[in-house]
Amino acid sequence: EAQVTQNPRYLITVTGKKLTVTCSQNMNHEYMSWYRQDPGLGLRQIYYSMNVEVTDKGDVPEGYKVSRKEKRNFPLILESPSPNQTSLYFCASSLTRGMNTEAFFGQGTRLTVV
Amino acid sequence: KNQVEQSPQSLIILEGKNCTLQCNYTVSPFSNLRWYKQDTGRGPVSLTIMTFSENTKSNGRYTATLDADTKQSSLHITASQLSDSASYICVVSAKEFSGGYNKLIFGAGTRLAVHP
Repeated sequence: EAQVTQNPRYLITVTGKKLTVTCSQNMNHEYMSWYRQDPGLGLRQIYYSMNVEVTDKGDVPEGYKVSRKEKRNFPLILESPSPNQTSLYFCASSLTRGMNTEAFFGQGTRLTVV
Repeated sequence: KNQVEQSPQSLIILEGKNCTLQCNYTVSPFSNLRWYKQDTGRGPVSLTIMTFSENTKSNGRYTATLDADTKQSSLHITASQLSDSASYICVVSAKEFSGGYNKLIFGAGTRLAVHP
């Protein structure tokens, strides 16, 4: 089954403790991205990757890092999480970043930073 | 500034009834408009994608319309079912001048509750 898989689904952590949220897709997609979803706001892009070893900042990159060492994986790293990073995170992938390309989303990771 | 606004914020209807959700956008240059369904605790799932030249597109009981002149779209749900309870997100894709790529701009969504 074609899918985007995120882990963990739920995470509670303390301020300053480094964490990684994993994302993996099995569709051989080139383009992957991370979003955060906060109440009353639309999804906002954090980082994206056009292909292996090619990453760039989205609209809200502060406090986050990513890497793309393999085509299928695109982990999101929070080096020193803060409470304002409490949010619902989604990983998405698409074949390319082309204009009419379908985007597929993971099931989400709910992160709470205390 | 590129923006997507949806109305209403939330809506309650009875099972079997129809409803229409609205989306207004100020995105330029426009590439396409998408509607997604997001069940509670899940990721968004695509319902329709419409380009500039398409006025209407259906996916089962879901029908999306697009008026590119007024920059408005609607999603009509016919004969609602309990499983239609979800958030519906309007997403407008903007063209980026470098390389023909698109940038997705998300609305905040309309939360629909279908009651028996």
